[in-house]
Amino acid sequence: EIQLLESGGGLVQPGGSLRLTCVASGFSFKNYAMSWVRQAPGKGLEWVSSISGSSGNTFNADSAKGRFTISRDNSENTLYLQMNSLRAEDTAIYYCATGGGNDFVAHWGRGTLVTVSS
Amino acid sequence: DIVMTQSPDSLAVSLGERATINCKSSQSVLYSPNRKNYLAWFQQKPGQPPKLLVYWASTRESGVPDRFSGSGSGTDFTLTISSLQAEDVAVYYCQQYYSTTWTFGQGTKVEIK
Repeated sequence: EIQLLESGGGLVQPGGSLRLTCVASGFSFKNYAMSWVRQAPGKGLEWVSSISGSSGNTFNADSAKGRFTISRDNSENTLYLQMNSLRAEDTAIYYCATGGGNDFVAHWGRGTLVTVSS
Repeated sequence: DIVMTQSPDSLAVSLGERATINCKSSQSVLYSPNRKNYLAWFQQKPGQPPKLLVYWASTRESGVPDRFSGSGSGTDFTLTISSLQAEDVAVYYCQQYYSTTWTFGQGTKVEIK
């Protein structure tokens, strides 16, 4: 069974940083592109960032460029999202998902809530 | 970026009746060399992550009831629920993965009339 378990969310002040982690199991992690998708309270889905399986090519939404960095450790089956210079509008549930680039999302984690507030 | 626009924003359908959700992309998501439309549909129930229903515009994900079907090509797509069940109450999203910068539709809320 494919499982994606996110962690690292919480309350942070504007301008602060957080690192989200997603531990994957049940599939060959290194062979899959991975992504982060977020959902602000009561709002729709917004893609944030993707990373390819082996080459490490990354793709970022304009809202993430220059502030967020996606990375992965294939030896640990783990995906990361380093978020800096956080703003109130970054408040959302952040989902880890399989797929990225031209591969569709097949599986989602349950998400981790990030709240940016003073 | 490719803009995805869904219609309607919400709809109420009687149990057992058909529900139809439309999704339009600002540019074609059909890749001519392989004749595939890079379009997926998701269902999201309150408090849950999204769930993949359809990919390549019309391929139903394993385990998804056959009352769900996707159709369309190019820029115009449809998700149809042939006979609405109570458990289908949810928000539905389309998403394009033609571009490496993914975009989602704004969502369509389906309720029981």
